[in-house]
Amino acid sequence: GESVGLHLPTLSVQEGDNSIINCAYSNSASDYFIWYKQESGKGPQFIIDIRSNMDKRQGQRVTVLLNKTVKHLSLQIAATQPGDSAVYFCAMGVETSYDKVIFGPGTSLSVIP
Amino acid sequence: NAGVMQNPRHLVRRRGQEARLRCSPMKGHSHVYWYRQLPEEGLKFMVYLQKENIIDESGMPKERFSAEFPKEGPSILRIQQVVRGDSAAYFCASSPAGLLAKNIQYFGAGTRLSVL
Repeated sequence: GESVGLHLPTLSVQEGDNSIINCAYSNSASDYFIWYKQESGKGPQFIIDIRSNMDKRQGQRVTVLLNKTVKHLSLQIAATQPGDSAVYFCAMGVETSYDKVIFGPGTSLSVIP
Repeated sequence: NAGVMQNPRHLVRRRGQEARLRCSPMKGHSHVYWYRQLPEEGLKFMVYLQKENIIDESGMPKERFSAEFPKEGPSILRIQQVVRGDSAAYFCASSPAGLLAKNIQYFGAGTRLSVL
């Protein structure tokens, strides 16, 4: 759902381990999903996207999984590095609509060296 | 191709003053979005504009806040008579024209407003 100003959930991961960040959505009309990374003091940056006709999409060290049945999205980061420490936001929209993209509440990832 | 440019990066105002935040979208982008972010919190949508039109302002406070995106020049978020609770980071994002291309938003570095 839309960000409502809640304090961020946090995830701590050992360097080198894999990270999984989850996102649930409620609008069954959503058919386009995006993950953003926001480092401290910076604006969010696009990481990877996926359309609803796909279940999985891979990028460099990142994989996004989409389960439309339970309206769940996850971002997997392989071999997590200190530079991955950031807040991660999922966002969702409807491609054939001019409605705004909705951002999830975000998850703060801390990588332990 | 320069990214989304926001200025100023930091803005200090006293209570009751006006704050003007500027956003120049990426070249070729005609959709602009403004978000507010408090420390350790998520992005809160404020307003979505296209050139000379406000498309969705459902996240804007009813009073003191206004936004515009004129035919020429940057988008402006204006906060009149600022109060301490307005202190936050304000992010602007832009996306390309076109229905299928609009969903990826490219963000600026933000303006951090501090109200004394």
